[in-house]
Amino acid sequence: DAGVIQSPRHEVTEMGQEVTLRCKPISGHDYLFWYRQTMMRGLELLIYFNNNVPIDDSGMPEDRFSAKMPNASFSTLKIQPSEPRDSAVYFCASSTSGGPRPEFFGPGTRLTVL
Amino acid sequence: AQTVTQSQPEMSVQEAETVTLSCTYDTSESDYYLFWYKQPPSRQMILVIRQEAYKQQNATENRFSVNFQKAAKSFSLKISDSQLGDAAMYFCAYRSLPFTSGTYKYIFGTGTRLKVLA
Repeated sequence: DAGVIQSPRHEVTEMGQEVTLRCKPISGHDYLFWYRQTMMRGLELLIYFNNNVPIDDSGMPEDRFSAKMPNASFSTLKIQPSEPRDSAVYFCASSTSGGPRPEFFGPGTRLTVL
Repeated sequence: AQTVTQSQPEMSVQEAETVTLSCTYDTSESDYYLFWYKQPPSRQMILVIRQEAYKQQNATENRFSVNFQKAAKSFSLKISDSQLGDAAMYFCAYRSLPFTSGTYKYIFGTGTRLKVLA
């Protein structure tokens, strides 16, 4: 398996622009997570899905952030409009349900909003 | 609410020596899972070791082992025979069991940066 795939790996955009981050989880995993990592706040869980359904989005910082999972093999995290304080590394991770199965992380997308 | 605390922002160890990274957590649950992740400069989050709270035996993975003290809510990571490739940020993480609603909590500590000195 190729692992969790994220694209793009790097994104530089200007304030006010829409940003879309993409994720392909590991095949067969029924949980998908979006995390944000910054120096100030560390690693924060933004939202997670189970069987394509959003379960907990309490970590989503503002209405400017939205996430979708139209099918088991694809998810997007969208920021509209983007702001400089959104600059961070965004990780997607997936796991299976039950037991101490950890989350397998993608390589991350480094977002810079100018 | 659950919390995870890593009180050591940075640690150093000589190559081939042993180092212990500390992690404490707070929870009212009796069953849960604990993990240590490694994040090298590549930023990739890599699972190092996992521990189920109901297991008294400490988990071990090659040079990595944990000292799990459930009553004290402590979960330290010991790295033996440290290697240059062990240099990274290490994160302690807590995961609850799924609640009846299907939700659960997954909380990361703030990390400890490990430097390995040649």
